[in-house]
Amino acid sequence: LAKTTQPISMDSYEGQEVNITCSHNNIATNDYITWYQQFPSQGPRFIIQGYKTKVTNEVASLFIPADRKSSTLSLPRVSLSDTAVYYCLVGAVSGTYKYIFGTGTRLKVLA
Amino acid sequence: EPEVTQTPSHQVTQMGQEVILRCVPISNHLYFYWYRQILGQKVEFLVSFYNNEISEKSEIFDDQFSVERPDGSNFTLKIRSTKLEDSAMYFCANTRLAGGPNTGELFFGEGSRLTVL
Repeated sequence: LAKTTQPISMDSYEGQEVNITCSHNNIATNDYITWYQQFPSQGPRFIIQGYKTKVTNEVASLFIPADRKSSTLSLPRVSLSDTAVYYCLVGAVSGTYKYIFGTGTRLKVLA
Repeated sequence: EPEVTQTPSHQVTQMGQEVILRCVPISNHLYFYWYRQILGQKVEFLVSFYNNEISEKSEIFDDQFSVERPDGSNFTLKIRSTKLEDSAMYFCANTRLAGGPNTGELFFGEGSRLTVL
């Protein structure tokens, strides 16, 4: 399973765009990239998933370069409620049943 | 939106006691997981379960842990003889059958906080 590396923490201000990058140099051909958000004392919550290029949904965008060795989660115009830990996971979405969380990035949004 | 339900939300137990944590997965999901999170630390994989058997387990999931799906709906995690270091939040998660958009999305419950004294 591909290991992931993310910044431990980031600070931002309300209304700014936040980009969190995850490195996954050993990503395999079948691996997808998935991002989760976790608030204190809650279970992680799915944000977005992608395989290559760009994926966008109502809350975030995910940018994946051609070599897929990294990915960037982009949160547009963050608010205080986006303060959370963000995890990048890499793994096949079928045929494997072991999704490993890294240490995550603790995002703090300031007023 | 369908939910994963976990009980109890908080359990306090004495060291050496047996604990059973319960999870009601989303009804059409087929892959089940337990994770734990010690306070202030990352989410750690314990075990995955499919077709009534363990698919993968971590080194944390030793002989004192067991999982089962006794009645086809509930999914349980048993800790046979709790230790102080078992104090953590335990999360149940499940995924749909592979295929389709967002395949492999883990749906987590709200967790069961276990405190071992």
